[in-house]
Amino acid sequence: QVQLVQSGAEVKKPGASVKVSCKVSGYTLTELSMHWVRQAPGKGLEWMGGFDPEDGETIYAQKFQGRVTMTEDTSTDTAYMELSSLRSEDTAVYYCATNAYGFFDYWGQGTLVTVSS
Amino acid sequence: EIVLTQSPGTLSLSPGERATLSCRASQSVSSSYLAWYQQKPGQAPRLLIYGASSRATGIPDRFSGSGSGTDFTLTISRLEPEDFAVYYCQQYGSSPPVTFGPGTKVDIK
Repeated sequence: QVQLVQSGAEVKKPGASVKVSCKVSGYTLTELSMHWVRQAPGKGLEWMGGFDPEDGETIYAQKFQGRVTMTEDTSTDTAYMELSSLRSEDTAVYYCATNAYGFFDYWGQGTLVTVSS
Repeated sequence: EIVLTQSPGTLSLSPGERATLSCRASQSVSSSYLAWYQQKPGQAPRLLIYGASSRATGIPDRFSGSGSGTDFTLTISRLEPEDFAVYYCQQYGSSPPVTFGPGTKVDIK
């Protein structure tokens, strides 16, 4: 059974960066394809990007290209998502989720990122 | 880009009733890559159906998925009190690789 535990809520000023972590247990990170999905308050789910095992590369949604970086520390089985140049529209709950053959089977509990001056 | 449209936006039903949720894609989606999720307030989404019709582990058999091409359906045969939630469909495979529908809220009539 995979468990994903994310870091706590963050409050950031516009223009700053935020780095959210996602600790894996039950499996090793190398056995998983980790993705990130966000959800603005009262809105739907928005895919940000994730690891593509076919290519061995991380792919990003075009909307976030140049602003998001997803990394992994396999020594601690922790995935990270860093979003820069934050603006108010980035206020959302950010989820890590494991991708298995196209669908997301395990999800973290979510991390609320609030961008406010 | 494949756009997913879900209807209705809100479905008001009573416990015990049947719920039929629709997900329509702007282009054909491989059935292998169509999934459904349930989300309750303050919780992460939960995988219900993958491959258009396969139930995820631990999902009750009152949930069923069907469809192919551009039209997919999630059916809840008899609504239980815990089934009132928002439901999202999701496709994987076309650029962009992942898109979600806007969701259908099933609320208590």
